[in-house]
Amino acid sequence: AQSVTQPDIHITVSEGASLELRCNYSYGATPYLFWYVQSPGQGLQLLLKYFSGDTLVQGIKGFEAEFKRSQSSFNLRKPSVHWSDAAEYFCAVGAGKTSYDKVIFGPGTSLSVIP
Amino acid sequence: EAQVTQNPRYLITVTGKKLTVTCSQNMNHEYMSWYRQDPGLGLRQIYYSMNVEVTDKGDVPEGYKVSRKEKRNFPLILESPSPNQTSLYFCASIRGAGDVETQYFGPGTRLLVL
Repeated sequence: AQSVTQPDIHITVSEGASLELRCNYSYGATPYLFWYVQSPGQGLQLLLKYFSGDTLVQGIKGFEAEFKRSQSSFNLRKPSVHWSDAAEYFCAVGAGKTSYDKVIFGPGTSLSVIP
Repeated sequence: EAQVTQNPRYLITVTGKKLTVTCSQNMNHEYMSWYRQDPGLGLRQIYYSMNVEVTDKGDVPEGYKVSRKEKRNFPLILESPSPNQTSLYFCASIRGAGDVETQYFGPGTRLLVL
């Protein structure tokens, strides 16, 4: 069965530091991959997605993610974190015929940012 | 303004009393979806719809029904709610296809079943 793991339940970084959130998935074929952010002020928002092609994907708010097939990973990165990035981050895999079918989410990583 | 609306935003009900959570989008999107969010479990997809009269089960469809009689509306129906359906529910719609796809979420409906 398809599954998504996010090994870090909670991460704390200083403002201006770099960030990497880990995501591993289990799926037999090349999946559709997503990162979402959930913050109290802005609700749920899609940060970026990978469907095919270039394995380095650029998203909104300065985030990027890299798909590594050999490691079944889709880690999210940001070179310099801002205080407003404090939120819950979810990785997800789409395992259906189209990109948003049969979407499986990871349990989430909570990010705290120290001023 | 492009948006996905859900009603009600908060609901307390009792076991077995049928309820409907409405979801409406004003963007003429074909694709809509329902999720529930529970602590430690992230979000789980309940149902999705690729167009009018086209719906399919997600990861956790048991105890839920949906309908898609018109493009803008995608209500979630709980025929006989139980306490394990206490959760935060999100509706979403998709714009575009491929690289230009983006997903819009509603504000959420917090449901408590006693």
